Amino acid sequence: AQSVAQPEDQVNVAEGNPLTVKCTYSVSGNPYLFWYVQYPNRGLQFLLKYITGDNLVKGSYGFEAEFNKSQTSFHLKKPSALVSDSALYFCAVRDGNTGGFKTIFGAGTRLFVKA
Amino acid sequence: DAGVIQSPRHEVTEMGQEVTLRCKPISGHDYLFWYRQTMMRGLELLIYFNNNVPIDDSGMPEDRFSAKMPNASFSTLKIQPSEPRDSAVYFCASRTVAGGYYNEQFFGPGTRLTVL
Repeated sequence: AQSVAQPEDQVNVAEGNPLTVKCTYSVSGNPYLFWYVQYPNRGLQFLLKYITGDNLVKGSYGFEAEFNKSQTSFHLKKPSALVSDSALYFCAVRDGNTGGFKTIFGAGTRLFVKA
Repeated sequence: DAGVIQSPRHEVTEMGQEVTLRCKPISGHDYLFWYRQTMMRGLELLIYFNNNVPIDDSGMPEDRFSAKMPNASFSTLKIQPSEPRDSAVYFCASRTVAGGYYNEQFFGPGTRLTVL
């Protein structure tokens, strides 16, 4: 069965500092991994995804994520945080070997960037 | 494209009333998903459709919930009768498999449902 864990309910970082939002996953086959962001009173927006290839994936708004197969992790990163990055972030996984019908979302991590 | 469209954006109703939420997916998308988001339970997948056919409704909480997709451009989620514990934000999302099964989902703005 697929699962995804976001161990931190909230991450606090100062503006200009690097940020990391953690995610670990479990699938039986090859993982398709996604990060989404949700701003207040909005739907989720796609940030980036890992399918295959280079372990470092770059996405929207300067975010990137690193796929680590041995640690089954897909942490979201940004070199320099902005106050406008404050939002709710969701990691998601889909099992590539089953045809990718169902995506499992994590519980979400609230990122707070302080000016 | 206007993206995924949901209506209404806000719905306030009284316990026992019927509630119908509506969704128009992105044109050409093969999959449509209904999610519910609450503080306590996070984001829950209720049901999803592939080419208008319901594939997995195991997330529908109980028989009071039903969903239909009569055509490729329209879906409804109905709650009858509604209860206060149904209060949540309901999201519709759609996805295409064109180009591969690894495509992301596109979410609508959500419907905030309050049942008094």
